[in-house]
Amino acid sequence: SAVISQKPSRDICQRGTSLTIQCQVDSQVTMMFWYRQQPGQSLTLIATANQGSEATYESGFVIDKFPISRPNLTFSTLTVSNMSPEDSSIYLCSVEERGGEWGEQFFGPGTRLTVL
Amino acid sequence: AQTVTQSQPEMSVQEAETVTLSCTYDTSESDYYLFWYKQPPSRQMILVIRQEAYKQQNATENRFSVNFQKAAKSFSLKISDSQLGDAAMYFCAYRLRRTGNEKLTFGTGTRLTIIP
Repeated sequence: SAVISQKPSRDICQRGTSLTIQCQVDSQVTMMFWYRQQPGQSLTLIATANQGSEATYESGFVIDKFPISRPNLTFSTLTVSNMSPEDSSIYLCSVEERGGEWGEQFFGPGTRLTVL
Repeated sequence: AQTVTQSQPEMSVQEAETVTLSCTYDTSESDYYLFWYKQPPSRQMILVIRQEAYKQQNATENRFSVNFQKAAKSFSLKISDSQLGDAAMYFCAYRLRRTGNEKLTFGTGTRLTIIP
């Protein structure tokens, strides 16, 4: 299974600032995703990070707020822009190999973000 | 839109006993995957077990097994011989078995406590 690392593991930020979260995979993968898990809640997909093209955002999430980059098949970043306390969440990246038999997604350890 | 419902916010079980976590889902599709993920306090999401909708046989993975009832849209997880390390949040998840639709839809989770 893919090994995924995220940086930072946690951060405390001030309102109005931005934070970029990195996701690194130890192998080339076709699909990379970013999820948000608000305190005590389930996971919600923010967007699919597409290599070489713009990310595909889910309803309720916009590029200006959550710009995503994916320069190659092993790395992606998610930026949380102009943060407010409502952005306090755990942000997780996940990966999947398209066409894989089992459709399994592997998750990173998450980034815990607190906005003051 | 697909939805996943976990009606048990919390469950507890005596160590070495058996516990069943419930999950129902709503979809008009016929070809999909179902998953149970475990999230310990460390936050790392770990896949516990998976089921393809076209397979009638229930998936089994060591002490973990599912009861998949496609007509009833039910997907419960049975944990046998519960161990202290099983304590975690358990999320049921759904996704289409179709390229371009890899989004995971999660339930709200069940917090499982193991009583020594």
